[in-house]
Amino acid sequence: AQSVTQLDSHVSVSEGTPVLLRCNYSSSYSPSLFWYVQHPNKGLQLLLKYTSAATLVKGINGFEAEFKKSETSFHLTKPSAHMSDAAEYFCVVRAFNQAGTALIFGKGTTLSVSS
Amino acid sequence: KAGVTQTPRYLIKTRGQQVTLSCSPISGHRSVSWYQQTPGQGLQFLFEYFSETQRNKGNFPGRFSGRQFSNSRSEMNVSTLELGDSALYLCASSPGASGRPPTDTQYFGPGTRLTVL
Repeated sequence: AQSVTQLDSHVSVSEGTPVLLRCNYSSSYSPSLFWYVQHPNKGLQLLLKYTSAATLVKGINGFEAEFKKSETSFHLTKPSAHMSDAAEYFCVVRAFNQAGTALIFGKGTTLSVSS
Repeated sequence: KAGVTQTPRYLIKTRGQQVTLSCSPISGHRSVSWYQQTPGQGLQFLFEYFSETQRNKGNFPGRFSGRQFSNSRSEMNVSTLELGDSALYLCASSPGASGRPPTDTQYFGPGTRLTVL
């Protein structure tokens, strides 16, 4: 079975400092992993995805994530936080069976950015 | 292309009533999935429809049901509403690529906020 664990429920950074949101995964298969972001009262927006191509994945808005199989991790980083990055971030693994597919979400990490 | 649209955006119902939510996927997408988001349980998968057939289902009671039409639009229905059904219901669409494992990306709508009183 597939699962993800987001190691921090809340991360606070100052504007202009690096961002690190941590995620560990568990998967019986070679996983498909995603990071989504949700701004208040908005739907989910895809930041980036890993599907067994390059282990360093670049996404939108300067975010990137590195797939590390030996550590079963898929941490999200950004070199310099912006106020607009304040939101909730979800690490997601795709679960699939013979019938279809579903996304399994982590509990989320709330990112706060102070000026 | 227009994104995923969901109607209505907000809904207030009372216990025991039923409700129908609608989702229009991105043009050309054939797969529609539904998720429930609550503060306590987070985001949970409800079901997935592809070409008018439910092909995957999460762990929710039978009060939750859905369907998909020939134009890929989807509806979900919740009967005999309970207070715990208050949530943000999100719909996501994807092209519905064939083959296993599927690698296409799901794109989410803004959600329908359901409040049960």
